[in-house]
Amino acid sequence: GAVVSQHPSRVICKSGTSVKIECRSLDFQATTMFWYRQFPKKSLMLMATSNEGSKATYEQGVEKDKFLINHASLTLSTLTVTSAHPEDSSFYICSARDLRGSTEAFFGQGTRLTVV
Amino acid sequence: AQSVAQPEDQVNVAEGNPLTVKCTYSVSGNPYLFWYVQYPNRGLQFLLKYITGDNLVKGSYGFEAEFNKSQTSFHLKKPSALVSDSALYFCAVRDPSGNTPLVFGKGTRLSVIA
Repeated sequence: GAVVSQHPSRVICKSGTSVKIECRSLDFQATTMFWYRQFPKKSLMLMATSNEGSKATYEQGVEKDKFLINHASLTLSTLTVTSAHPEDSSFYICSARDLRGSTEAFFGQGTRLTVV
Repeated sequence: AQSVAQPEDQVNVAEGNPLTVKCTYSVSGNPYLFWYVQYPNRGLQFLLKYITGDNLVKGSYGFEAEFNKSQTSFHLKKPSALVSDSALYFCAVRDPSGNTPLVFGKGTRLSVIA
């Protein structure tokens, strides 16, 4: 199947700093990518839809100024957590779908963010 | 709105026994249904999907699922569980139109005991 790579897999940062997470589609182009957040022992919550060349679409309750999404190319979307606080600590996962033929989405490895 | 329900937080099964992880869905129209597995601190791995056609779909690692329209269910099954199957399993649904995101169930933790 298609490969989605997410980096870093784990990051620890200080409160007030910003962290950038990258999501790349390695062997296909993705005009749309999705960012999810997973709380401990909880399901995945869709945060936003990242659209190449245009603004991201955020789900209700997700602060767009806090979670900046940039989708500057057909293979890369980035999520920047700005002015991070401990409550932003979570597991963030991106996904994309190869529109050439697959109906399933493929996921990155996830990023464990810990804000101290 | 589309939704899926996984009624069990935890399923325990002995190694070698058959396993079932339950999922029911609520959609308007024909659903695209998926099962994913997640190992600790990892992303989700695709197991199988139902799009159309045969109600019984086979996927990775010996898993299969049966689409039952009358019961709006899509239970995940495996004839003989392995300890390595222990993980978190997610059922998901997607609107067939457009490049839409998945809507996930809350997940079921499967524990296979040797």
